[in-house]
Amino acid sequence: RKEVEQDPGPFNVPEGATVAFNCTYSNSASQSFFWYRQDCRKEPKLLMSVYSSGNEDGRFTAQLNRASQYISLLIRDSKLSDSATYLCVVTSTMTTDSWGKLQFGAGTQVVVTP
Amino acid sequence: DGGITQSPKYLFRKEGQNVTLSCEQNLNHDAMYWYRQDPGQGLRLIYYSQIVNDFQKGDIAEGYSVSREKKESFPLTVTSAQKNPTAFYLCASSIRTGGNQPQHFGDGTRLSIL
Repeated sequence: RKEVEQDPGPFNVPEGATVAFNCTYSNSASQSFFWYRQDCRKEPKLLMSVYSSGNEDGRFTAQLNRASQYISLLIRDSKLSDSATYLCVVTSTMTTDSWGKLQFGAGTQVVVTP
Repeated sequence: DGGITQSPKYLFRKEGQNVTLSCEQNLNHDAMYWYRQDPGQGLRLIYYSQIVNDFQKGDIAEGYSVSREKKESFPLTVTSAQKNPTAFYLCASSIRTGGNQPQHFGDGTRLSIL
């Protein structure tokens, strides 16, 4: 089982609609969580951190559910420019080193259509 | 402007050849990382460095080598021992290692075999 799993999509979303998707993680000791955005053939860029109480950044809302071991991302009022692959990133502590390695999901593709 | 610069953007390797990918950052970050991304897969960690003159193997270090002689620079050599080098290579940095530290990426190098 992969440490971080995401539905690859694509999620086809009409402009102005809301889309939400989850990411599950297997290590219950995971400490920190992030969403990154990656455009086609570009580098990942940090979208937002995910806090225990949930957090919003404009049209984006991130939630953490530790009991069920998943995080979610919701995008409201989708724009064409939101089309991208969204990477879920989870940190885990290596047994031999406490440096907090990042584990990346393979990404969820979102396509916003006019 | 502060950031991470990777070069070249595209690189072609001949059979039996070693090639070196450059990564430079002017963010004054202590930690630097190299990842490999293959289509449909999450980023996989090749090597990381927590501080100058120190580096550690990641999950897929075989066939790769690195050095960290300067804080700003973390070059990656893809050796002839790496039998499947075709991938998108991403360099990242963070203030320090640690699970709550997001990583910031360069714009990547695409490596292909001739």
